[in-house]
Amino acid sequence: AQSVTQLDSHVSVSEGTPVLLRCNYSSSYSPSLFWYVQHPNKGLQLLLKYTSAATLVKGINGFEAEFKKSETSFHLTKPSAHMSDAAEYFCVVRRGGNKLVFGAGTILRVKS
Amino acid sequence: EPEVTQTPSHQVTQMGQEVILRCVPISNHLYFYWYRQILGQKVEFLVSFYNNEISEKSEIFDDQFSVERPDGSNFTLKIRSTKLEDSAMYFCASEDRSSGNTIYFGEGSWLTVV
Repeated sequence: AQSVTQLDSHVSVSEGTPVLLRCNYSSSYSPSLFWYVQHPNKGLQLLLKYTSAATLVKGINGFEAEFKKSETSFHLTKPSAHMSDAAEYFCVVRRGGNKLVFGAGTILRVKS
Repeated sequence: EPEVTQTPSHQVTQMGQEVILRCVPISNHLYFYWYRQILGQKVEFLVSFYNNEISEKSEIFDDQFSVERPDGSNFTLKIRSTKLEDSAMYFCASEDRSSGNTIYFGEGSWLTVV
């Protein structure tokens, strides 16, 4: 069965420093993978998605993620954090045709 | 940018009462979903809906739950007799599979059962 593990429940960075949010997946076949972000009192917004095209995926707001099959990882990165990036981030795998399976989430804190 | 809209944003209801959560999916989308997130827990799949019928449901989605698309625009989730453990954020989502593998979520309806 498909699942995702987000390795950190909380990440704290200083503004202007790189962001790394880690995600490992398990899947019996080539998965579709996503990162969603949830700002306080807001819905789930799609940051980026991987669907077996390029392994380096660029998303919105300067985020990108690299699909590494050998490591079963799909880590989210950003070169320089901004205060507005503070939010909860979810790594998600799509199971079959319908269902999304969410990771537990990583809360990103950005310090000034 | 088109978006999924949900009402109400917050609802408090007494245990045993019926609740209807409403969603307006993106207009050209054909696939609809409900997910929920209990406080402190993962976002969980409840049900998917296509062509006026349920295409998949989770074990959470028991007989107390139902979904309906009563007209061309709304997609509703009904909980027949609410329990304390139904307290959660409920997210509606929609998808247009002809233009990519992307599910768009609404801002959620926060349900508190007392």
